[in-house]
Amino acid sequence: KAGVTQTPRYLIKTRGQQVTLSCSPISGHRSVSWYQQTPGQGLQFLFEYFSETQRNKGNFPGRFSGRQFSNSRSEMNVSTLELGDSALYLCASTGRGVRLADQETQYFGPGTRLLVL
Amino acid sequence: DQQVKQNSPSLSVQEGRISILNCDYTNSMFDYFLWYKKYPAEGPTFLISISSIKDKNEDGRFTVFLNKSAKHLSLHIVPSQPGDSAVYFCAARAWGSNYQLIWGAGTKLIIKP
Repeated sequence: KAGVTQTPRYLIKTRGQQVTLSCSPISGHRSVSWYQQTPGQGLQFLFEYFSETQRNKGNFPGRFSGRQFSNSRSEMNVSTLELGDSALYLCASTGRGVRLADQETQYFGPGTRLLVL
Repeated sequence: DQQVKQNSPSLSVQEGRISILNCDYTNSMFDYFLWYKKYPAEGPTFLISISSIKDKNEDGRFTVFLNKSAKHLSLHIVPSQPGDSAVYFCAARAWGSNYQLIWGAGTKLIIKP
């Protein structure tokens, strides 16, 4: 099975611009979660999509938005970029198999490293 | 408020010895806990998990212990190997939270040769 893929891997933007990141989950997974990782802050949850609907949302400003398509691929958009948005953005997909571990285990992509100048 | 806390940002352990990574939580509704491992430039990978109905779960060199009364869990790695050098995250799920995971800030484990 192919893993979670994220594009692009690296991105450099300037303040005020907007950016769109893409995530393709593992085939058959319908849940996609997005996280922001900055040094010393761990993984900060952005939002989760399940079957094209946003199911959970973290405490990020409205500049951060996302969507999920019918094939479960997801995009995350950040508008009016700020210097503090520089981070590693991780996407994770989750299956809903029979085992509890499968229901909870998140499989992560390699991330998109965003640098805002 | 940090519901899941990993108070040690880093830990250094001699190769072959036991590594113990700790995680504390505040939400008594958490019923499922997971540990992930992350290498630089890669996404976290699932390591081991434990349900709140258990107090121990083993998988090879990795054992997770859960102390519900203390709201504390720990990951033991025995014996520690150089390839274990990574950042370890603990995460927790609250029952009825719609599967949302709450993550700790991570502990960087360094295995010394």
